[in-house]
Amino acid sequence: RKEVEQDPGPFNVPEGATVAFNCTYSNSASQSFFWYRQDCRKEPKLLMSVYSSGNEDGRFTAQLNRASQYISLLIRDSKLSDSATYLCVVPDDKIIFGKGTRLHILP
Amino acid sequence: NAGVTQTPKFRVLKTGQSMTLLCAQDMNHEYMYWYRQDPGMGLRLIHYSVGEGTTAKGEVPDGYNVSRLKKQNFLLGLESAAPSQTSVYFCASLGDNYEQYFGPGTRLTVT
Repeated sequence: RKEVEQDPGPFNVPEGATVAFNCTYSNSASQSFFWYRQDCRKEPKLLMSVYSSGNEDGRFTAQLNRASQYISLLIRDSKLSDSATYLCVVPDDKIIFGKGTRLHILP
Repeated sequence: NAGVTQTPKFRVLKTGQSMTLLCAQDMNHEYMYWYRQDPGMGLRLIHYSVGEGTTAKGEVPDGYNVSRLKKQNFLLGLESAAPSQTSVYFCASLGDNYEQYFGPGTRLTVT
């Protein structure tokens, strides 16, 4: 099993809809989890940290399911500007990224 | 703070040429990383460093060497460039809460 796995998508979602995607991880001892956003040909930027109690920031909610070893990202009331690739990261020394989930918000 | 900077931003090499990519950070971070990203692909870790004077291999280290002589700088070297090394190279450093800060990338083409 790969360390971090994501559905590559693309997810094509109409503007205003709610979309969610998951990321599974293999290291059950992991303590920190992150979602990054990457726009085309740009560097990744931190979107949210994910802790045991979950995390909410405006339209974005990140949650952790330790039993099933996955984290999720929920985007409500999606905007055209949310179109990007979303990367999950489960750090240890190496910091391996998932391949990312591509999201296209359709007008 | 400039954050993480990368030099150069673009480069075209001929097969067999060598070059060094420079990454610099001014946040006093211990951990630094080099990734490559190919079209439609995720980030793949080349090498990383957990502190000055230390380096370690990542997922795809072959064909690359690195050095971390100063804490703020992490250099990535290509001794004999190959077309398969055409890619976008990102450097990152690690903050206190395990969040990564990325440089803007270097776009390398090997012909």
